[in-house]
Amino acid sequence: GENVEQHPSTLSVQEGDSAVIKCTYSDSASNYFPWYKQELGKGPQLIIDIRSNVGEKKDQRIAVTLNKTAKHFSLHITETQPEDSAVYFCAASNVDGAAGNKLTFGGGTRVLVKP
Amino acid sequence: KAGVTQTPRYLIKTRGQQVTLSCSPISGHRSVSWYQQTPGQGLQFLFEYFSETQRNKGNFPGRFSGRQFSNSRSEMNVSTLELGDSALYLCASSSPVGGTEAFFGQGTRLTVV
Repeated sequence: GENVEQHPSTLSVQEGDSAVIKCTYSDSASNYFPWYKQELGKGPQLIIDIRSNVGEKKDQRIAVTLNKTAKHFSLHITETQPEDSAVYFCAASNVDGAAGNKLTFGGGTRVLVKP
Repeated sequence: KAGVTQTPRYLIKTRGQQVTLSCSPISGHRSVSWYQQTPGQGLQFLFEYFSETQRNKGNFPGRFSGRQFSNSRSEMNVSTLELGDSALYLCASSSPVGGTEAFFGQGTRLTVV
């Protein structure tokens, strides 16, 4: 089955700096890669996603890149703000296969933005 | 549009008991997935229901079961609770039309004592 590794497990950045989180996946059949933000006491919130036919996607201060050959994808947050402090999860899925909507998650990255 | 609603938010149960958790998906969504979140194992897929049928299942023992009703609401049941079942149980709903985005509820925090 799919295995997703996520690094780093913790990330501390100064407000205004950029943050980068990297994930690798094992199953070449995976074709959908969402990123989630989870704040304390809440469920994961989808913040951005990318499909395997796209190399990069951007939404305001957040961008995701995908390298299918190397089987890795990354989340980039620019101009970080204190409200970006949370745990971020990457995930992978094969939305065209029998797996349906099964998501395999990385271990999470705790991001702390220091004012 | 209302989000995914999970009830109850918190539960305390004793070892050996059984528990039922409920999830109401976003209106129009027919796919409901369940995940277990623990500090040690992270987010793990339990099962997915689509149109009242289990479409996929994770690697959990048979004590974990679920079902989906005709209105897409879903329940999961855990029988013979063990201390290790203490976790945040999350439900996610997805629309089969136009996208595969999964939207999560706030979860049910289950504590087994």
